[in-house]
Amino acid sequence: EVQLVESGGGLVQPGGSLRLSCAASGFTFSSYWMSWVRQAPGKGLEWVANIKQDGSEKYYVDSVKGRFTISRDNAKNSLYLQMNSLRAEDTAVYYCARDLSDGSGSYVTDYWGQGTLVTVSS
Amino acid sequence: DIQMTQSPSSLSASVGDRVTITCRASQGISNSLAWYQQKPGKAPKLLLYAASRLESGVPSRFSGSGSGTDYTLTISSLQPEDFATYYCQQYYSTPLGYTFGQGTKLEIK
Repeated sequence: EVQLVESGGGLVQPGGSLRLSCAASGFTFSSYWMSWVRQAPGKGLEWVANIKQDGSEKYYVDSVKGRFTISRDNAKNSLYLQMNSLRAEDTAVYYCARDLSDGSGSYVTDYWGQGTLVTVSS
Repeated sequence: DIQMTQSPSSLSASVGDRVTITCRASQGISNSLAWYQQKPGKAPKLLLYAASRLESGVPSRFSGSGSGTDYTLTISSLQPEDFATYYCQQYYSTPLGYTFGQGTKLEIK
């Protein structure tokens, strides 16, 4: 059974930092692109960042470029999101997600963790 | 960036009704379109991908269609467990990221 378990969320002041972790199990972690997706309270879903199987490619939504860093440790089956210079608008539930090739060269998100809440407030 | 416009934003329906939700992309996405169901306090669940392919374990009352820029999700006969929020997602632009529609909240009439 595929499981993705996020941790590391909490309350942080504007300008502060936080590191999210995602522990993966039930599949060969090193074979998949992985993403972080967030959802502000009462709002829709927003893709944040993704990372290739070997970590050689990383992409970010414009609003977090230069502030957030996605990384992974395939030996530990873990995904990370280092968040610096946090702003109030970064307040959201952050989901770890697995991206699966649909056979056409594109990747669809097929499994999600339960999420971890990040609150940026003074 | 590819923008996704989903409609309606909310919908009231009764058990047994047939409902349709639409999603329009700002450019052609070659059927790289997925639909998700999200219940309060839960993670999204994949229902369909490649516009019309049903994810394993998803009931056959869910179906998808479309091409180019316009796509639809149809629930043929609403069940009580189907009342939730539904999102479309284009993943044509992966791995450079993907975008979601604004969501459709399906409520009991």
